[in-house]
Amino acid sequence: DGGITQSPKYLFRKEGQNVTLSCEQNLNHDAMYWYRQDPGQGLRLIYYSQIVNDFQKGDIAEGYSVSREKKESFPLTVTSAQKNPTAFYLCASSIGAQWGSNYGYTFGSGTRLTVV
Amino acid sequence: AQTVTQSQPEMSVQEAETVTLSCTYDTSESDYYLFWYKQPPSRQMILVIRQEAYKQQNATENRFSVNFQKAAKSFSLKISDSQLGDAAMYFCAYRSARHTDKLIFGTGTRLQVFP
Repeated sequence: DGGITQSPKYLFRKEGQNVTLSCEQNLNHDAMYWYRQDPGQGLRLIYYSQIVNDFQKGDIAEGYSVSREKKESFPLTVTSAQKNPTAFYLCASSIGAQWGSNYGYTFGSGTRLTVV
Repeated sequence: AQTVTQSQPEMSVQEAETVTLSCTYDTSESDYYLFWYKQPPSRQMILVIRQEAYKQQNATENRFSVNFQKAAKSFSLKISDSQLGDAAMYFCAYRSARHTDKLIFGTGTRLQVFP
């Protein structure tokens, strides 16, 4: 079955350490996205990528980095510069802008990151 | 910049009854798409229904329907014959037809369903 896989489901890290969240899709989607979800704030866009080897900052990119070396993969690194990294992180993909934006996103099941 | 507002942090409904969740948005564009997503306790985001702004007819998917008022920039979700499995967070979202990179979300409404 096609879908998006995020791993791990739960992640614990010490303050000051970088951590990388995995996101893999087998839907042949061109576009991929990372959102952060905090209670009462909905989903906020961190980074997005519309094609391989290209990505753009979203609304809250500070303290995060991404790469898009393969169409299927869009890992997110939470760096030590991110002041409040504890949150729920959702990865999503979509067919791509050239096919029209009436398609919604397909989401992964998320990673809960806790920094202690 | 476009914004999406969900003014009801929490709603509740009795099983088999009908409930309406509100959503308003702000945009200067005329061509766009609107979505409702459901996030159950598993936290998996599920697309419930979508609406194209150029269509006057309100979208319907089984027990879920929308009331799309373009002039008022309102996009409410009606859930009929509510079921226990409808209990979840519901997010309204906006996507431009021209700048197709972002899906902009509201802050969500938590729906409780009582037997």
